[in-house]
Amino acid sequence: GDSVTQMEGPVTLSEEAFLTINCTYTATGYPSLFWYVQYPGEGLQLLLKATKADDKGSNKGFEATYRKETTSFHLEKGSVQVSDSAVYFCALSDLAGTASKLTFGTGTRLQVTL
Amino acid sequence: GAVVSQHPSWVICKSGTSVKIECRSLDFQATTMFWYRQFPKQSLMLMATSNEGSKATYEQGVEKDKFLINHASLTLSTLTVTSAHPEDSSFYICSAHFTDTQYFGPGTRLTVL
Repeated sequence: GDSVTQMEGPVTLSEEAFLTINCTYTATGYPSLFWYVQYPGEGLQLLLKATKADDKGSNKGFEATYRKETTSFHLEKGSVQVSDSAVYFCALSDLAGTASKLTFGTGTRLQVTL
Repeated sequence: GAVVSQHPSWVICKSGTSVKIECRSLDFQATTMFWYRQFPKQSLMLMATSNEGSKATYEQGVEKDKFLINHASLTLSTLTVTSAHPEDSSFYICSAHFTDTQYFGPGTRLTVL
């Protein structure tokens, strides 16, 4: 079945440091890939998405590129801020164009300090 | 755009009572909504898929008689936790499907005493 593997957290960085959160996936078809962010006590917010190979999703300085050859969708940001502290979830949806289930990774907690 | 709301944001109830949680898509219509449960510091667990005008599809291990789901309109799905017990205490999150993406509500924290 489908699965998503994320790097273990927590990740602790100083403000303005470079961020990478690794995400790899296993899927039978051609999934759409997502990054969601969850701030404390809140639901999930869509951060970015990519629907086909080589697509790059970007939002608020975050980027991720859909790499079919390595089955990866790593999240990057060039300079993190304290306000980026949250839990980040990588997810895939296996049936583009339909309301299919999301398969989530376990989440990676990011803590940014001054 | 694509805003999903949940009500209430938190609720405390006594053991044995029932609690209803509402999930609304505010600026779009959603044929399909999803209900998740999240335990502290863990990922989301899909409980059921809610389809407007038809019965919900429950994931394996989720008791359909305990977690009643109704999706009576294209903008509203409800989850009722019946005869709640302390082990049902959790963070419940809904999402609504729109243009190939799931948009999530802010969640409802349920505490059963």
